[in-house]
Amino acid sequence: QKEVEQDPGPLSVPEGAIVSLNCTYSNSAFQYFMWYRQYSRKGPELLMYTYSSGNKEDGRFTAQVDKSSKYISLFIRDSQPSDSATYLCAMSPYSSASKIIFGSGTRLSIRP
Amino acid sequence: SQTIHQWPATLVQPVGSPLSLECTVEGTSNPNLYWYRQAAGRGLQLLFYSVGIGQISSEVPQNLSASRPQDRQFILSSKKLLLSDSGFYLCAWRDGRGTEAFFGQGTRLTVV
Repeated sequence: QKEVEQDPGPLSVPEGAIVSLNCTYSNSAFQYFMWYRQYSRKGPELLMYTYSSGNKEDGRFTAQVDKSSKYISLFIRDSQPSDSATYLCAMSPYSSASKIIFGSGTRLSIRP
Repeated sequence: SQTIHQWPATLVQPVGSPLSLECTVEGTSNPNLYWYRQAAGRGLQLLFYSVGIGQISSEVPQNLSASRPQDRQFILSSKKLLLSDSGFYLCAWRDGRGTEAFFGQGTRLTVV
């Protein structure tokens, strides 16, 4: 079993829709949770970062962490064609000397 | 502000040739440094990470190696490249508090 599971998609939604992206994980030691956006042939760009359980909102993006279910989500409101990219979840234990494990990424396409 | 530099951006190398990819970080000290590889349409596979000069943790046994000769320099090497080494190589850093990680723009390596 992979430590982090992410539906690879592709996911295609119309412009303006609410997008829900999800990851599950198996390691209960994970405390830091991150979402990255990656455009084709570019390095991943950090979108959201959360520590432990709860919600965090930044503009059109909301990150949720449910540690009891080992489940994290990223919601995108009022989706735009420019949101079309691959979205990667990432997580690590509570230790500065720890590795960061990534999901396989979900390819998202927003139709105009 | 902190910046991460990774070069070259693209590289085409023959099978059996050596490899050296370099990554440097500016604006921070004693960062944690990471090398990832991303196959086409896939997630990020952690190859190596380092929490200090000369300290390297290897995640995947293969013909690649990493070194950290200076605090903010991380080098990925190979003595003899294989076709299977082709991919998108990404360097990342995070600070000593163990929070979010930031990526370079990647090196696209094609072994022919």
